[in-house]
Amino acid sequence: QKEVEQDPGPLSVPEGAIVSLNCTYSNSAFQYFMWYRQYSRKGPELLMYTYSSGNKEDGRFTAQVDKSSKYISLFIRDSQPSDSATYLCASRQGGSYIPTFGRGTSLIVHP
Amino acid sequence: EADIYQTPRYLVIGTGKKITLECSQTMGHDKMYWYQQDPGMELHLIHYSYGVNSTEKGDLSSESTVSRIRTEHFPLTLESARPSHTSQYLCASSGTTDYNSPLHFGNGTRLTVT
Repeated sequence: QKEVEQDPGPLSVPEGAIVSLNCTYSNSAFQYFMWYRQYSRKGPELLMYTYSSGNKEDGRFTAQVDKSSKYISLFIRDSQPSDSATYLCASRQGGSYIPTFGRGTSLIVHP
Repeated sequence: EADIYQTPRYLVIGTGKKITLECSQTMGHDKMYWYQQDPGMELHLIHYSYGVNSTEKGDLSSESTVSRIRTEHFPLTLESARPSHTSQYLCASSGTTDYNSPLHFGNGTRLTVT
């Protein structure tokens, strides 16, 4: 079993939709959770970074972590065509610098 | 945008050639990493470094080597390229303060070995 599981998609939504991207993880020691966005032919860029359970909001983006169910979510409100990218979730343990990445979910927002 | 630079962006090379992928960062980060990324697959850690003269193998060393002689520079070398090395290689760095520092990535080198 992979430590971080993520559906590769693609997920196709109309502009303005609320998008929900999800990951599950198996390692109970994971404490830090990240979402990266990767545009085609670019490197991943950090989008959201959270510690432990709870929600974190940044503009149209909300990251949610439920440690009891080992579930990580990223919500995008009022999605735009410019949000079309691959979204990678990642998790790591406290005491470790190295995250474990999911496969990424390809998101397509069509006008 | 993170200041981490990778060259070349694209490289096509024949089997058996020796190649070096360059990575430099201007953020003063002490930790640097090399990942391999194939389409639709997880990022696989190849090598990492926690500082000058420190290098460690990741879970996918892929017959490559790295060096860390200067804080800002972390090149990856393939002594003899093979078609199985065809992939995208991503360099990343993270800061010095504590475990809270996330990774910042370069834009990658896309390598094709013919």
